[in-house]
Amino acid sequence: KQEVTQIPAALSVPEGENLVLNCSFTDSAIYNLQWFRQDPGKGLTSLLLIQSSQREQTSGRLNASLDKSSGRSTLYIAASQPGDSATYLCAVLRDYKLSFGAGTTVTVRA
Amino acid sequence: EAGVVQSPRYKIIEKKQPVAFWCNPISGHNTLYWYLQNLGQGPELLIRYENEEAVDDSQLPKDRFSAERLKGVDSTLKIQPAELGDSAVYLCASSSRTGGRTGELFFGEGSRLTVL
Repeated sequence: KQEVTQIPAALSVPEGENLVLNCSFTDSAIYNLQWFRQDPGKGLTSLLLIQSSQREQTSGRLNASLDKSSGRSTLYIAASQPGDSATYLCAVLRDYKLSFGAGTTVTVRA
Repeated sequence: EAGVVQSPRYKIIEKKQPVAFWCNPISGHNTLYWYLQNLGQGPELLIRYENEEAVDDSQLPKDRFSAERLKGVDSTLKIQPAELGDSAVYLCASSSRTGGRTGELFFGEGSRLTVL
């Protein structure tokens, strides 16, 4: 069974600092990995999708890397803003099944 | 383009009552998912549809949960009877398949169920 772990569970940083969020998974035979953002009481918003053949994806201030062999992905958010405060979840897809981590809750202090 | 639409957003019921959630996926997405999310945890798959066929319902508690996706578009998830432990957020998601590969998943806002 695929296990997805996100450490730390919570993170608090001052505005302007770069954020580094980690995701690890136990089974490296994945099709893709997706990073989501979830605001309180809301659904999940897709941030980045990395196919298994890719090493990274970038969108604006966000950059996600994927190292399948070590079972790790990292989401970088540059120059954090208070509006970046949310829970960030990673999910890996294998055999049409998406397995989620529990998320990292980020607070960016103004 | 409209996203995944779910209703109702919130539902409060007494235990043993029935409840139903509705989902309208993104137009053209043939794959539809229902997930359950408990507080502080990641979503867990309940059922996955490819068009109108339920291809993975191994995590669906079939004694009280049922789902349908008529005509391969909208879907309904039903719980009857509801138990206290069913209090959670029920999320619907959809995706398209390109070249045989599952693409990006898009989620609705979720339906928050409280069972009293």
